[in-house]
Amino acid sequence: EVQLVESGGGLVQPGRSLKLSCAASGFTFSNYYMAWVRQAPKKGLEWVATISTSGSRTYYPDSVKGRFTISRDNAKSSLYLQMNSLKSEDTATYYCARPEGGYDYFDYWGQGVMVTVSS
Amino acid sequence: DIVLTQSPVLAVSLGQRATISCRASQSVSISSINLMHWYQQKPGQQPKLLIYRASNLASGIPARFSGSGSGTDFTLTIDPVQADDIAAYYCQQSRESPRTFGGGTKLELK
Repeated sequence: EVQLVESGGGLVQPGRSLKLSCAASGFTFSNYYMAWVRQAPKKGLEWVATISTSGSRTYYPDSVKGRFTISRDNAKSSLYLQMNSLKSEDTATYYCARPEGGYDYFDYWGQGVMVTVSS
Repeated sequence: DIVLTQSPVLAVSLGQRATISCRASQSVSISSINLMHWYQQKPGQQPKLLIYRASNLASGIPARFSGSGSGTDFTLTIDPVQADDIAAYYCQQSRESPRTFGGGTKLELK
């Protein structure tokens, strides 16, 4: 059974940093691209980052480019999101998700972790 | 960016058909492959994949869910609607980066 379990969320002040983790199990982690998707309170879904199988390629929307860094450790079957220079608009539930193949739909999602950016 | 537009709310009666639409600001199809996908999200839960590539049912999803469409106009149909289907539904395109989602349609009981 595929499982994605996020951790590392919490309350952080604007301008500070936070690192999220996602522990994957139930599939061969190193064979899959991985991604982060977020959802602000009472709002819709927003793709945040994607990383290739080896970690050599990363992709971001303009809203987080230069502030967020996605990374992975295939030996530990773990995905990370380093978030720097956090803003109040980054307040959201962050989901770890697995994009399927070349079509990039998200076939598995974690339960999510809440990040609140507030002073 | 490709903008996906959904109606915010759809009210239906149990046992009836629900038709949820998603319109893209430009085509999300490539050589007859329709790069539009649908998710269901219940309150307090993570999204769940329902339909991929416009019309393919994801694993474990009941056959009362179906998807159709091409180009810029896509539809998710639930027939018949059951009480367990009351949730928010999101479309998502993977034709271009950034991957974008529709604003969601909240399915409510009439």
